[in-house]
Amino acid sequence: GQSLEQPSEVTAVEGAIVQINCTYQTSGFYGLSWYQQHDGGAPTFLSYNALDGLEETGRFSSFLSRSDSYGYLLLQELQMKDSASYFCAVWRDDKIIFGKGTRLHILP
Amino acid sequence: NAGVTQTPKFRVLKTGQSMTLLCAQDMNHEYMYWYRQDPGMGLRLIHYSVGEGTTAKGEVPDGYNVSRLKKQNFLLGLESAAPSQTSVYFCASSRRGPGDTQYFGPGTRLTVL
Repeated sequence: GQSLEQPSEVTAVEGAIVQINCTYQTSGFYGLSWYQQHDGGAPTFLSYNALDGLEETGRFSSFLSRSDSYGYLLLQELQMKDSASYFCAVWRDDKIIFGKGTRLHILP
Repeated sequence: NAGVTQTPKFRVLKTGQSMTLLCAQDMNHEYMYWYRQDPGMGLRLIHYSVGEGTTAKGEVPDGYNVSRLKKQNFLLGLESAAPSQTSVYFCASSRRGPGDTQYFGPGTRLTVL
């Protein structure tokens, strides 16, 4: 089947760096996306990797390795407002598949 | 710009009742999507549209119908609501395909008793 695996929870300290991993068993997809969702809110787009390698957007970076069926989201200089759930998603043709999300807890 | 709006924000239905959720976007996007999100779960695609007058099934289409008569609007209908359809429903739109930035509406929280 097609699925994405993410850790259910990650805890980090304010100001630190955290990496959220996403592994998948989906072949032939076009790209890997990351979304952030605060409690009670709507998902917001963070990044998209169409090609292997690192994409950087401010404090957030995302990485994709198709050969390893693996990607990650890197958050630097963590702030309390980064406490949220983070979802990876892949898409191909008419299928968009989301992971179940990683809840990021940030300690002061 | 309002972005993506959804109506209503909350709704309670009894089993067997019908209702329509309205999604509107003012960004002239071609693609629109309906997702549902259950507690502790990611988003699951119900139906989507690649342009005015087109619709297609997503991952979990059973029990739902959609229409896209106007480019800016995407309607999700439940003909006979079931408790299993209790969920939060999100609409989204994107200029190009799913890999492009998807802009989400605030969500509709639906409870079916």
